[in-house]
Amino acid sequence: SQKIEQNSEALNIQEGKTATLTCNYTNYSPAYLQWYRQDPGRGPVFLLLIRENEKEKRKERLKVTFDTTLKQSLFHITASQPADSATYLCALRDTGTASKLTFGTGTRLQVTL
Amino acid sequence: KAGVTQTPRYLIKTRGQQVTLSCSPISGHRSVSWYQQTPGQGLQFLFEYFSETQRNKGNFPGRFSGRQFSNSRSEMNVSTLELGDSALYLCASSLAPGSGNTIYFGEGSWLTVV
Repeated sequence: SQKIEQNSEALNIQEGKTATLTCNYTNYSPAYLQWYRQDPGRGPVFLLLIRENEKEKRKERLKVTFDTTLKQSLFHITASQPADSATYLCALRDTGTASKLTFGTGTRLQVTL
Repeated sequence: KAGVTQTPRYLIKTRGQQVTLSCSPISGHRSVSWYQQTPGQGLQFLFEYFSETQRNKGNFPGRFSGRQFSNSRSEMNVSTLELGDSALYLCASSLAPGSGNTIYFGEGSWLTVV
């Protein structure tokens, strides 16, 4: 069956450290993968998109990697800040499914002082 | 420019009733999709509309329906509400379907079924 798995346990890290979140998928052939941030009671906010033929994407303190062999994407936040505390969702569009996005259940990140 | 606007933000309905949720996409966006978010299931795709046509549908019963108007505004309807329909319903818009176009989410409509 198809699955997108993110670590369901919260990730607690200290301010200034690098947070690394994992997204693993099974039985998908993603055309691209996206990462979103969601704060409590709010809608998800788009952060980064990485396509199947790209290995890495960066945006300011954010970095995403995409390994189609391992079927995994890693999301890094460098020099993390308490304001980065939120739930982070990965989502992918499977080839041949138009624009339907399938989301993982998200990982909650807590950055402490 | 204004973001995706969803109304109402909060509502409480009784089992068996029906509900209609509204979504106004970002100006110029013609693709609207709907998602249901619950603590247990996460974000699940309901359906997507483009140019007033449903392009894609998720695995939800026929009680869930939607439509899109010529001005790209969209509504979704849930009939014969069940307790399990309690969720955050999110609308998202993009310029057009696919091709990695960024989708922008609204703040959602919180539905509680009692």
